[in-house]
Amino acid sequence: AAGVIQSPRHLIKEKRETATLKCYPIPRHDTVYWYQQGPGQDPQFLISFYEKMQSDKGSIPDRFSAQQFSDYHSELNMSSLELGDSALYFCASSLGSVWGRKLFFGSGTQLSVL
Amino acid sequence: AQKVTQAQTEISVVEKEDVTLDCVYETRDTTYYLFWYKQPPSGELVFLIRRNSFDEQNEISGRYSWNFQKSTSSFNFTITASQVVDSAVYFCALSGRSDYKLSFGAGTTVTVRA
Repeated sequence: AAGVIQSPRHLIKEKRETATLKCYPIPRHDTVYWYQQGPGQDPQFLISFYEKMQSDKGSIPDRFSAQQFSDYHSELNMSSLELGDSALYFCASSLGSVWGRKLFFGSGTQLSVL
Repeated sequence: AQKVTQAQTEISVVEKEDVTLDCVYETRDTTYYLFWYKQPPSGELVFLIRRNSFDEQNEISGRYSWNFQKSTSSFNFTITASQVVDSAVYFCALSGRSDYKLSFGAGTTVTVRA
């Protein structure tokens, strides 16, 4: 069965650079979530989209922005990167944004900021 | 506000031993969902189980079982006859009626030795 696809798997950037992470949800899933997991930490919710509209917002820095496109894929744009942005970024998808839905996670993008 | 506490940071067992992971949660919601996710060394987050707050019936699914006790706000997870492939970080998570986003505990690292 198709899963959530994230690209790239690994990304190395320098301070003050920009990065774009992509997420392709499971086919027919209309809701996308972004999570950030620092080293040895639990995943922290960043932002979510339902039917191309932002549905919820967590602890996402102003330097980050995201959107969901007409084909339901999503991109997380990160600017003015800082060392502290180094983390594993997960995308998850679900069918519908109804509370309690199972989230299916991708394998994550490991971002290293040097 | 939602909070999930996994007091055990690391657990190490020998193959075939049972492993019980503790999870305690806090929420003001009377209706909520509880989850367990597994994160193997490869990094992806894998959904294991989901339980809603109205269903305190404990179940067994293969080698996995869980003990949900609303009175003590606990949602413990047991792996029976552990195997080396069970080595991973296990996260307990909560989604409340008033705060849809998934809130994770800090995770428990399980190491199963052959």
